[in-house]
Amino acid sequence: GNSVTQMEGPVTLSEEAFLTINCTYTATGYPSLFWYVQYPGEGLQLLLKATKADDKGSNKGFEATYRKETTSFHLEKGSVQVSDSAVYFCAHRMNRDDKIIFGKGTRLHILP
Amino acid sequence: NAGVTQTPKFRVLKTGQSMTLLCAQDMNHEYMYWYRQDPGMGLRLIHYSVGEGTTAKGEVPDGYNVSRLKKQNFLLGLESAAPSQTSVYFCASSSSHLPGNEQFFGPGTRLTVL
Repeated sequence: GNSVTQMEGPVTLSEEAFLTINCTYTATGYPSLFWYVQYPGEGLQLLLKATKADDKGSNKGFEATYRKETTSFHLEKGSVQVSDSAVYFCAHRMNRDDKIIFGKGTRLHILP
Repeated sequence: NAGVTQTPKFRVLKTGQSMTLLCAQDMNHEYMYWYRQDPGMGLRLIHYSVGEGTTAKGEVPDGYNVSRLKKQNFLLGLESAAPSQTSVYFCASSSSHLPGNEQFFGPGTRLTVL
């Protein structure tokens, strides 16, 4: 069935470090892919998305590339800030489907 | 636009009590969803709706009921609350007209069942 697997956290980094959070998916077709971010005490908000293979989503210095050959959508940022501390969720949605499948989330702590 | 709003923000119930969580969206979205979020479990879909007057079961529907009498509102009901329903509940909405059909989330309702 359709599913999303992302690296378990928590991930702890120092400010200005390079970040990678791995995400792979299983799907019967070609889904749209998303990264959502949840800041403490808030709901989820869309960080970036990609709707077809080789697309790169980017926002706030974060990037992720839709890799069909490896069924992956890894999140990267070149230099993290303390304000990036949050929980990050990878997700996918089959086109013409109603539901988004979420990963379990990765908690990120950035130390000053 | 207020986006997606949820009431109440916090609630404490005793086992066996009932309550209704209200979700409202002002974006004219067709789809609405209720999730629960528990530590280490990510988000799990409880029920969802693809339009006014329609509802469908998600991954964990037992113990919950929903209604979508108006397009902008999606109600989640607990008829007889149990401690296992202690969780943070999130409502979301989306539209088929949005590229990729991204979901917009409310701020959440923290429910504790004693």
